[in-house]
Amino acid sequence: DAKTTQPPSMDCAEGRAANLPCNHSTISGNEYVYWYRQIHSQGPQYIIHGLKNNETNEMASLIITEDRKSSTLILPHATLRDTAVYYCIVRVDTSGTYKYIFGTGTRLKVLA
Amino acid sequence: AAGVIQSPRHLIKEKRETATLKCYPIPRHDTVYWYQQGPGQDPQFLISFYEKMQSDKGSIPDRFSAQQFSDYHSELNMSSLELGDSALYFCASSLTRANVLTFGAGSRLTVL
Repeated sequence: DAKTTQPPSMDCAEGRAANLPCNHSTISGNEYVYWYRQIHSQGPQYIIHGLKNNETNEMASLIITEDRKSSTLILPHATLRDTAVYYCIVRVDTSGTYKYIFGTGTRLKVLA
Repeated sequence: AAGVIQSPRHLIKEKRETATLKCYPIPRHDTVYWYQQGPGQDPQFLISFYEKMQSDKGSIPDRFSAQQFSDYHSELNMSSLELGDSALYFCASSLTRANVLTFGAGSRLTVL
């Protein structure tokens, strides 16, 4: 299964962009990269996903390198409410079944 | 918008007892995933269902079983409970297997 590596923690000043990196060097060609976040002990919340093109939605942008071995989640203007654990997940596709394996995540703290 | 409903939200059991957690997916969602998150740990994939059939299996103990019913709700049955089963249990649903997972708020199981 493709694995992800993320820094365990990061700080970001409120109002600044938060750039969260993720390495997924063993990703296969048809495997998507998903980002979720978990605020305290709530259910993980979907942020964004992509295959090879960069993606943007109302919450964030996802930049995937051309070789697809790494990606960066960008929160353009971080707020205190963005403090959470951010998970980069490679969705493993095996004969029509899909598995979302959580790694260790990055604990982002947004500072006032 | 309707979300994934999990019940009960909190459950306290003694060792060796049995517990059942229920998950009601978003209407029209046909796919359900179960995850276990121990204290200070990351969510671990347990099992998934698609169209009422087991789709994939992760690190689910043999003491646990699960199924998806005709109305697409799912139940996770846990027997011979151990102290180590104390965790948050998340259910997630999606519309078909290849779509974004939406997580419920979780069920917190405490085994005494």
